Amino acid sequence: SQQGEEDPQALSIQEGENATMNCSYKTSINNLQWYRQNSGRGLVHLILIRSNEREKHSGRLRVTLDTSKKSSSLLITASRAADTASYFCATDAGGAQKLVFGQGTRLTINP
Amino acid sequence: EADIYQTPRYLVIGTGKKITLECSQTMGHDKMYWYQQDPGMELHLIHYSYGVNSTEKGDLSSESTVSRIRTEHFPLTLESARPSHTSQYLCASSGGSWDTEAFFGQGTRLTVV
Repeated sequence: SQQGEEDPQALSIQEGENATMNCSYKTSINNLQWYRQNSGRGLVHLILIRSNEREKHSGRLRVTLDTSKKSSSLLITASRAADTASYFCATDAGGAQKLVFGQGTRLTINP
Repeated sequence: EADIYQTPRYLVIGTGKKITLECSQTMGHDKMYWYQQDPGMELHLIHYSYGVNSTEKGDLSSESTVSRIRTEHFPLTLESARPSHTSQYLCASSGGSWDTEAFFGQGTRLTVV
């Protein structure tokens, strides 16, 4: 992968449960972003966390960042069927001004 | 809603043909990107641009070329399409600051037969 690994590659849970996805990256970063992609469509930005931040919330989303481990996690609480999608992390690859993505996690929420 | 557009959405073309995938944005963004995405999900950066007359190759080697003559327009060209070029191509743009989100087009699904 260009960026690193996302874990797990696929996740299937029941509606109402929490979903956690992890992302690791290779280079130093200025920020890390999470995106969602519904099947066959373009990506939609969810949340951005800067390298000097450790945790950020947005609605049902909680993102953490550990720069010492070069890793981030995305938690979706109280999942809904509409959350079924693929989720990607992306970084600026150490300020190179290019946006580099991880492999993604395919999340399925079962009703 | 993002103001970034890709055309065509779907394209089936014969081997050896020259094709241009169009990408336009009306947000005045300096940075634009092209990604290739196969059904296995991973997005591969193939080209990016910081602004007019600036283009760079991405991390995945590609036989395609790009141009950036106008801020709003970032077309991708394949001089001679091959079946190995069959994939989805996603265009994105972002503003000048390093901590801004990217906006994506809906993608062009290319099939070379």
